[in-house]
Amino acid sequence: DTGVSQDPRHKITKRGQNVTFRCDPISEHNRLYWYRQTLGQGPEFLTYFQNEAQLEKSRLLSNRFSAERPKGSFSTLEIQRTEQGDSAMYLCASRKGSGNTIYFGEGSWLTVV
Amino acid sequence: KNEVEQSPQNLTAQEGEFITINCSYSVGISALHWLQQHPGGGIVSLFMLSSGKKKHGRLIATINIQEKHSSLHITASHPRDSAVYICAVGGQGAQKLVFGQGTRLTINP
Repeated sequence: DTGVSQDPRHKITKRGQNVTFRCDPISEHNRLYWYRQTLGQGPEFLTYFQNEAQLEKSRLLSNRFSAERPKGSFSTLEIQRTEQGDSAMYLCASRKGSGNTIYFGEGSWLTVV
Repeated sequence: KNEVEQSPQNLTAQEGEFITINCSYSVGISALHWLQQHPGGGIVSLFMLSSGKKKHGRLIATINIQEKHSSLHITASHPRDSAVYICAVGGQGAQKLVFGQGTRLTINP
């Protein structure tokens, strides 16, 4: 257990439904990241928060995706109108500063059927 | 061409063998990370380095900034070392990490 919690760990949803994932980072970590990983590939960057500010978003993050970190603590990643191509593991990570070790959660597996 | 390339993609070895996994990158970096991912998804950070060499137990990581290359070595490999090992780089001035595709390591008893 790295201290970064993600919920739910697994989600199966029908195409077109909305899903939301939650990440609770290590408490003193001000930087929070979302990544997406498909089978056999390394993670790909989605978005990054410093405290409550979303400072960077990947072009992978279409307008169906939205992420928030309202109080600079936990974060949510919502996918609207899910598509089969959204099936992947969504990883959250946090760190205290840019020069420090990064800690990953266990990931949230999404299967869109 | 990916910004971070790892080799080999798959590696199978016998218990006790010395293991080397390589990572080459094409961008300027502030730090390079070696990560371990077990089945089920969880990723654990093994090393973060920006120069030289680091050692932790049976694991050794080296980086050559001029050649844009890093290696992860495992001495006296053990079946519990079986996992996917991922190289990731943090670009200069960038917050995000760019990941290699991973190396799947299997150590047979």
